[in-house]
Amino acid sequence: GAVVSQHPSWVICKSGTSVKIECRSLDFQATTMFWYRQFPKQSLMLMATSNEGSKATYEQGVEKDKFLINHASLTLSTLTVTSAHPEDSSFYICSARQATNTGELFFGEGSRLTVL
Amino acid sequence: GDSVTQMEGPVTLSEEAFLTINCTYTATGYPSLFWYVQYPGEGLQLLLKATKADDKGSNKGFEATYRKETTSFHLEKGSVQVSDSAVYFCALKIPQGYQKVTFGTGTKLQVIP
Repeated sequence: GAVVSQHPSWVICKSGTSVKIECRSLDFQATTMFWYRQFPKQSLMLMATSNEGSKATYEQGVEKDKFLINHASLTLSTLTVTSAHPEDSSFYICSARQATNTGELFFGEGSRLTVL
Repeated sequence: GDSVTQMEGPVTLSEEAFLTINCTYTATGYPSLFWYVQYPGEGLQLLLKATKADDKGSNKGFEATYRKETTSFHLEKGSVQVSDSAVYFCALKIPQGYQKVTFGTGTKLQVIP
């Protein structure tokens, strides 16, 4: 099946720094990618939808300037957590939709961010 | 808005027991319904799906039927194994627009030998 890879899988940073997480579709083109945040014992919260070559669509309550999303190519989307704070610590998961009729979603392994 | 409600866990079962994880949804229009599974330390994987009323999705011994009248998509398996221990997420997708997927809170299943 199609593979989506996230990098890094685990990152620790100091408060006030910025962290970039990459999401790549390895063997297919993804016209749309989604970024989710997963809290302990809670569901995945959709943060934003990104389409290649256009601005991301953010869900209500998600700070656009805090969570910068770039979808520069059909195989790569990045999430940058700017000026990270401890409350940003979480598990971030991306998913990519194939540019086919089925449009099936494939998920990355997730990236655990810990802000000290 | 669109939402998915699934039973809280954790659910602990003995091997070979029967599994049911309840899932109900609220949505405008006619959503597609999914069950995803997240094994420890891994990302989400699609387990099964159904795209219209009365469809039955099945995979790896799991099955779920799209019930429009009760707005439900309960996950069942006749005989669980230790390897089925994971977190199971019910989800829906609205076919219009960006087709974003809305997830339930997840149900952790632990199967003991």
